[in-house]
Amino acid sequence: SQKIEQNSEALNIQEGKTATLTCNYTNYSPAYLQWYRQDPGRGPVFLLLIRENEKEKRKERLKVTFDTTLKQSLFHITASQPADSATYLCALREGSSNTGKLIFGQGTTLQVKP
Amino acid sequence: DTEVTQTPKHLVMGMTNKKSLKCEQHMGHRAMYWYKQKAKKPPELMFVYSYEKLSINESVPSRFSPECPNSSLLNLHLHALQPEDSALYLCASSQDLGRENGYTFGSGTRLTVV
Repeated sequence: SQKIEQNSEALNIQEGKTATLTCNYTNYSPAYLQWYRQDPGRGPVFLLLIRENEKEKRKERLKVTFDTTLKQSLFHITASQPADSATYLCALREGSSNTGKLIFGQGTTLQVKP
Repeated sequence: DTEVTQTPKHLVMGMTNKKSLKCEQHMGHRAMYWYKQKAKKPPELMFVYSYEKLSINESVPSRFSPECPNSSLLNLHLHALQPEDSALYLCASSQDLGRENGYTFGSGTRLTVV
């Protein structure tokens, strides 16, 4: 069966450190993978999209990697701040179709302590 | 305008009531979505509309009835719901199904069925 798994439900780190979140998938062949941030009671906010032929993508303090051999994406937040505390969701669509069926992992809740 | 607007923000309804959730976007996006999210779970896809036509129904019970009156509006009509239908209902949009791009989510409607 198809699965998207994020390595942990919760991650606590100290301010200023780098947070690393993991997204693993099985029985998918995605052409793209997306990362979202969700704050309590709000909708997800799109952060980054990485294509299968891109090994790495950066946006300000965010970095995403995509390893289609390992079937894994890593999401890094450098110089983390308490304002980065939120739930982070990875998401993907099956690359062979244009159905628009975006499926989410269960999310990792990041807590950055001052 | 880069937002998806959902109304109402909160809704309490009885099991015999009929109500509607509304979603609006003016970004020219041609794909629109309804997701359901329970506490501490990821969003789950319910319906996909592409160019105002229903593209995907994820086997959602008929007590949920979507409608897309035009390219900017998406409604979700609710009738005879059950307490277990209480959740955060999220609307999202994207440019179209043919291109991979991030989704823009609304802030959601918090629905409580009593």
